Amino acid sequence: RKEVEQDPGPFNVPEGATVAFNCTYSNSASQSFFWYRQDCRKEPKLLMSVYSSGNEDGRFTAQLNRASQYISLLIRDSKLSDSATYLCVVNREGAGSYQLTFGKGTKLSVIP
Amino acid sequence: DGGITQSPKYLFRKEGQNVTLSCEQNLNHDAMYWYRQDPGQGLRLIYYSQIVNDFQKGDIAEGYSVSREKKESFPLTVTSAQKNPTAFYLCASGGTANQETQYFGPGTRLLVL
Repeated sequence: RKEVEQDPGPFNVPEGATVAFNCTYSNSASQSFFWYRQDCRKEPKLLMSVYSSGNEDGRFTAQLNRASQYISLLIRDSKLSDSATYLCVVNREGAGSYQLTFGKGTKLSVIP
Repeated sequence: DGGITQSPKYLFRKEGQNVTLSCEQNLNHDAMYWYRQDPGQGLRLIYYSQIVNDFQKGDIAEGYSVSREKKESFPLTVTSAQKNPTAFYLCASGGTANQETQYFGPGTRLLVL
């Protein structure tokens, strides 16, 4: 099992659609989880951290299932500006380790 | 402005040449990291430093070297021993107990002539 696995996409969705991305991770000791956004030929930027209870930031909702080692990101009411690659990121070991493992990313294209 | 800067934006390397990529941060972060990104690949860790004057190899350190003489600066040298250096190089800071999230600089694209 790869350390962090994502569906590469691309996901092509119309404006206003709801889209969900999934991610699985292999290290059961991981404690920190993030979604980053990366625009074409730019650096990754933090979108949101993912907490055990799930968390929401505007149109974005992140969920964590520790038992299944599964993370999700839901984007509601997609905008053209949401077009990017979304990276699932997990810390490598237990609490206290801040090395991160990055998924290869899921590409989203929002179409007018 | 607070943030992370990298220079140059583009860098060309000739065969057998060593080149140095700059990374500076004014976020007062203790930890700094260097990653490499190849097309269609996830970021891979080259080196990291949790504190001044100390650094550790990451997953793909061969052919690279770093120094951490100042808290603000973490330059990466791509040596001639790195046989496939063409990639997008990203520097990050943060990622410690006091600052869990890592923040990235704008990156340097290295191309081999």
